[in-house]
Amino acid sequence: GENVEQHPSTLSVQEGDSAVIKCTYSDSASNYFPWYKQELGKRPQLIIDIRSNVGEKKDQRIAVTLNKTAKHFSLHITETQPEDSAVYFCAASATGFQKLVFGTGTRLLVSP
Amino acid sequence: DTEVTQTPKHLVMGMTNKKSLKCEQHMGHRAMYWYKQKAKKPPELMFVYSYEKLSINESVPSRFSPECPNSSLLNLHLHALQPEDSALYLCASSQDGRSGDTQYFGPGTRLTVL
Repeated sequence: GENVEQHPSTLSVQEGDSAVIKCTYSDSASNYFPWYKQELGKRPQLIIDIRSNVGEKKDQRIAVTLNKTAKHFSLHITETQPEDSAVYFCAASATGFQKLVFGTGTRLLVSP
Repeated sequence: DTEVTQTPKHLVMGMTNKKSLKCEQHMGHRAMYWYKQKAKKPPELMFVYSYEKLSINESVPSRFSPECPNSSLLNLHLHALQPEDSALYLCASSQDGRSGDTQYFGPGTRLTVL
């Protein structure tokens, strides 16, 4: 089955810096890669996703890149703000499967 | 309505109790999910219902029993739980459960088993 690895487990940056979180997946059939943000005590919320027919997607300060050959995808946050502080999870799922497999999470701390 | 709601928010139960968790969505979604999330861990899939039929059971112990009475409601019946079952139980829904469907999560029920 699918296995998703995520790095780093914690990331501390200064406000205004960029943050990059990386994930690798094992199943070459995976074709959907969402990223969720989970604040303490809150629900996971989708912040951006990418499908395998696209190499990059951007939404304001957030971007995701996908390298299908290397089986890895990354989340890029620019101009970080304290409210970006949360745990970020990457995930992957394959065609025909309803199962999302999550990475282990990255705790992002943005200091003012 | 673009939210998934869950009740109760918190639940404390003994190992001999029977309780139920409830989840509701009014987005017209036809796939609903139960996840279990332990502290500092990612959500782990437990069950998937697609068009009110159980389509995935991730080898969950029988002390957890899901039920989908209709397309808007999802229940999780709990019986004879163990302390290690204490966790945040998240419900999610998506359009129809195909790969690439966005899953929308509810706020969760924080369960403590004494």
